[in-house]
Amino acid sequence: GAGVSQSPSNKVTEKGKDVELRCDPISGHTALYWYRQSLGQGLEFLIYFQGNSAPDKSGLPSDRFSAERTGGSVSTLTIQRTQQEDSAVYLCASSLVQGGKGHFGDGTRLSIL
Amino acid sequence: GESVGLHLPTLSVQEGDNSIINCAYSNSASDYFIWYKQESGKGPQFIIDIRSNMDKRQGQRVTVLLNKTVKHLSLQIAATQPGDSAVYFCAEIPNRDDKIIFGKGTRLHILP
Repeated sequence: GAGVSQSPSNKVTEKGKDVELRCDPISGHTALYWYRQSLGQGLEFLIYFQGNSAPDKSGLPSDRFSAERTGGSVSTLTIQRTQQEDSAVYLCASSLVQGGKGHFGDGTRLSIL
Repeated sequence: GESVGLHLPTLSVQEGDNSIINCAYSNSASDYFIWYKQESGKGPQFIIDIRSNMDKRQGQRVTVLLNKTVKHLSLQIAATQPGDSAVYFCAEIPNRDDKIIFGKGTRLHILP
């Protein structure tokens, strides 16, 4: 069955460029979460959405990071003026209801040269 | 950021033995707990969950134990197999309007 889909699966870009990462949640899931995972480390919360609104943006590391969700479905995480420390795997999860079990995609591996 | 560890602890277990992975959670009011398994190059996969009104829940070869008194969660894997090699994360959801908060993770290594 269709799970959470993230694209691209890999992205290599030069320092200073902007990048957009996309997440297609499971159809009908109202909650959507973004996490970041550096190599060999745990999951760092970035932001979550309930519908199209973001009740908690507390994990966004700086104002270079932003995210939106449209139509209660697809979400885009944008990183402006990328820095080398932004290199990580960016994971997206969705759940049927807020506070429910999250289903994860396989992430986008972002490498900043 | 939350729950970001510098080094993941490793548990090495002989194939066929039982594994116990432990986790301390942060919020005494947390209502819901999940164990995830993450294989290399993949996103975390749901294994088993438990609500705060329970202290034990069993699945296929896995059991989760919850001790609210000491804010401790454990995952028991029976008869560990090579396919169980992965990083295991515990996660808590403080309340129904909150995000999923992850623990630091434990790498399970299966010895032949």
